[in-house]
Amino acid sequence: EAGVAQSPRYKIIEKRQSVAFWCNPISGHATLYWYQQILGQGPKLLIQFQNNGVVDDSQLPKDRFSAERLKGVDSTLKIQPAKLEDSAVYLCASSFIQGAPEQYFGPGTRLTVT
Amino acid sequence: DAKTTQPPSMDCAEGRAANLPCNHSTISGNEYVYWYRQIHSQGPQYIIHGLKNNETNEMASLIITEDRKSSTLILPHATLRDTAVYYCIVRDVTSGTYKYIFGTGTRLKVLA
Repeated sequence: EAGVAQSPRYKIIEKRQSVAFWCNPISGHATLYWYQQILGQGPKLLIQFQNNGVVDDSQLPKDRFSAERLKGVDSTLKIQPAKLEDSAVYLCASSFIQGAPEQYFGPGTRLTVT
Repeated sequence: DAKTTQPPSMDCAEGRAANLPCNHSTISGNEYVYWYRQIHSQGPQYIIHGLKNNETNEMASLIITEDRKSSTLILPHATLRDTAVYYCIVRDVTSGTYKYIFGTGTRLKVLA
């Protein structure tokens, strides 16, 4: 089966610019996650969707980050405006159901903010 | 914050067993232990999970102490491709969000 797809793989922007990341989860997976991974740290959950509804966005900096999963399939994560500290790898993951032990991660998007 | 403590790094000779320890002394009865690994430039990959009994699958074995305050992930015959960061996570399966909180993990280097 096809894995979680993410694009772009790399992005370099200047601070105060905006950027968007796209994720296509594994077909049939109801739950979708966005994580931020800063160099040297483990992934940190930003937002979790169950179908097209938000389950947890407690760690999402809502003044600059937004995410949507309109049709319960693909998802986009946007940062506007970006700050230097947003430089990180943004990982998308999906699971068949909420609470499933196995989350399937995509390759991530490496964002560099200069 | 992560509820687990792991050594920051370990080395293992190729072909030998790699034993990765994890301390989770504050684990509660509703929390399972999960292990993921992250190979360089890839997303994390699920390995195994357990509650109180020892578990084994095609990738690894998980040994959980009787008091559940610590566990060990065992890769029985480590290969160079097992070089990765290994994350031990405890997760409350009654929390509603089933959130994984990753720590900094153990960086395992398998030596030829």
